[in-house]
Amino acid sequence: NAGVMQNPRHLVRRRGQEARLRCSPMKGHSHVYWYRQLPEEGLKFMVYLQKENIIDESGMPKERFSAEFPKEGPSILRIQQVVRGDSAAYFCASSPGTGGVLFFGPGTRLTVL
Amino acid sequence: AQTVTQSQPEMSVQEAETVTLSCTYDTSENNYYLFWYKQPPSRQMILVIRQEAYKQQNATENRFSVNFQKAAKSFSLKISDSQLGDTAMYFCAFMKKDRGATNKLIFGTGTLLAVQP
Repeated sequence: NAGVMQNPRHLVRRRGQEARLRCSPMKGHSHVYWYRQLPEEGLKFMVYLQKENIIDESGMPKERFSAEFPKEGPSILRIQQVVRGDSAAYFCASSPGTGGVLFFGPGTRLTVL
Repeated sequence: AQTVTQSQPEMSVQEAETVTLSCTYDTSENNYYLFWYKQPPSRQMILVIRQEAYKQQNATENRFSVNFQKAAKSFSLKISDSQLGDTAMYFCAFMKKDRGATNKLIFGTGTLLAVQP
């Protein structure tokens, strides 16, 4: 059973460009979470999604950030008009339901030049 | 709101020795989970151990065990027979457990553990 997959592993963007981060959950998992880790900090919750629904986006910045988990295909975290402060590691996690363990992917390291 | 505090930014231990990492948390919830995750230099987040708050027995996983003190809101991690591969950042995390909970993990700031040969 493959783990949580994220791609790309490294992404470099110039200020003002768009960044699209992809996450494929573990097989059988229908719950996906995105976390952000700024340099020298712990992980901070961004958003929780189930198939075609955003359940909790209380950690998402109000502007430029969006997330989706379509019926088919991976979950996408989209950052429009990136700024240098968006440089971070973005982790996706999945779980089969609520009240359990989250399994994390290897992360996408975003660098904004 | 819940908070998780790890007061030791860095720790060092000799190979084969035992080390304890501290974690305290603040919550008004009665049902919750506590976790320790490990992040080695590869940056992958790896689950080390999980504790359910209603269980009095401390969780153990091979060389890893916890000391869960619910009244004191303390959740320390003990690593026995430390190995070089244990070198990593260790994060303590809290998750609320009840109907409608969203599986949101609240992380501490981490403790960087270095195992010395």
